Amino acid sequence: GDSVTQMEGPVTLSEEAFLTINCTYTATGYPSLFWYVQYPGEGLQLLLKATKADDKGSNKGFEATYRKETTSFHLEKGSVQVSDSAVYFCALRRAGSYQLTFGKGTKLSVIP
Amino acid sequence: GAGVSQSPSNKVTEKGKDVELRCDPISGHTALYWYRQSLGQGLEFLIYFQGNSAPDKSGLPSDRFSAERTGGSVSTLTIQRTQQEDSAVYLCASSLRTTTDTQYFGPGTRLTVL
Repeated sequence: GDSVTQMEGPVTLSEEAFLTINCTYTATGYPSLFWYVQYPGEGLQLLLKATKADDKGSNKGFEATYRKETTSFHLEKGSVQVSDSAVYFCALRRAGSYQLTFGKGTKLSVIP
Repeated sequence: GAGVSQSPSNKVTEKGKDVELRCDPISGHTALYWYRQSLGQGLEFLIYFQGNSAPDKSGLPSDRFSAERTGGSVSTLTIQRTQQEDSAVYLCASSLRTTTDTQYFGPGTRLTVL
């Protein structure tokens, strides 16, 4: 079945540090890929997405590129802020399906 | 506009009791989803409603779980005879239609079974 594996946290970074959260997936066909973010006390919010190979999703300074050859969708940000502290979830949705399959989440803490 | 809302935000219950969790989707969204977020299992799909079609219940973990959606809008997830392993955050999401539309999530209901 489909699965998403993302790096385990927690991740603690200083403000303005570079962020990478690794995500790899297993799925048949060409799934759409997503990063969701969950801020403390809030629900999941879509951060960015990519629907085909080599697409780059970007939002709020975050980027992720859909790499079919390595089945990866790593999340990056050049300079994190304290306000980026949250739990980040990588997810996929198989083509023609509505179910999202999530990774277990990575907690990011950014300290001043 | 208003997002997905869920109630209650927190629910504490005793083992063996029944609970009902409510979800109000975004107005005009025809697709509605329930997911469960638990420490051991991460985020799991539970059930999906699309318009007046029969729901996809393939993710429900046992027959103690059921859900309905009245009038194509509000949905209620019911857990009968709750067990401690049912403790989790139950998330509802809605989307405009289905496979290509973004799913918007509510804040969740945190269920604790004592």
